[in-house]
Amino acid sequence: DSGVTQTPKHLITATGQRVTLRCSPRSGDLSVYWYQQSLDQGLQFLIQYYNGEERAKGNILERFSAQQFPDLHSELNLSSLELGDSALYFCASSPLAGGQGDEQFFGPGTRLTVL
Amino acid sequence: DAKTTQPNSMESNEEEPVHLPCNHSTISGTDYIHWYRQLPSQGPEYVIHGLTSNVNNRMASLAIAEDRKSSTLILHRATLRDAAVYYCILRDIRGSSQGGKLIFGQGTELSVKP
Repeated sequence: DSGVTQTPKHLITATGQRVTLRCSPRSGDLSVYWYQQSLDQGLQFLIQYYNGEERAKGNILERFSAQQFPDLHSELNLSSLELGDSALYFCASSPLAGGQGDEQFFGPGTRLTVL
Repeated sequence: DAKTTQPNSMESNEEEPVHLPCNHSTISGTDYIHWYRQLPSQGPEYVIHGLTSNVNNRMASLAIAEDRKSSTLILHRATLRDAAVYYCILRDIRGSSQGGKLIFGQGTELSVKP
């Protein structure tokens, strides 16, 4: 158990809908990262928040947005869902902003299925 | 980001050592070498990292070539629980100012036979 929790575990929805994925980092960790894992693209970095502010951005679609709240939990919002958004979404946390030695601890993931 | 190359898959026998190679010929002087692994149906987990010298921890050892263009993750005695996809990732030493994103390649799928 990494100490990172993600809810829900599974989510099934229809195209065009909007969903919110939630992540609670390990106690004391200030950074939260979101990754997407699909069969054709592998594991891809989406976005990082550090202490409430956006720190780094990857190939995150404009239809996706995230935020980190004062209690450091984070939410990833996915809107206008398409079939291709079906994937595993992982959240990870780390103690600091991402320097060396700042290893990331991954949650169990949320499996999103868009029908 | 500098690229890494790993074999798609490897096989090992239980209780034998496993050497997982990674090539990173375009590595820069500010890149650390990190290894993560992903067990079936789980999120990735950190294994080990290093810069120039060989490193050991309770999970594995990391051997880094003198020219740093390749490295090898060593599992000293493979167990069935070590069956996973192993990812070799380069991270810039200046990572803190640029965030801590991990760029995953395809990794090596390790299977362990009893």
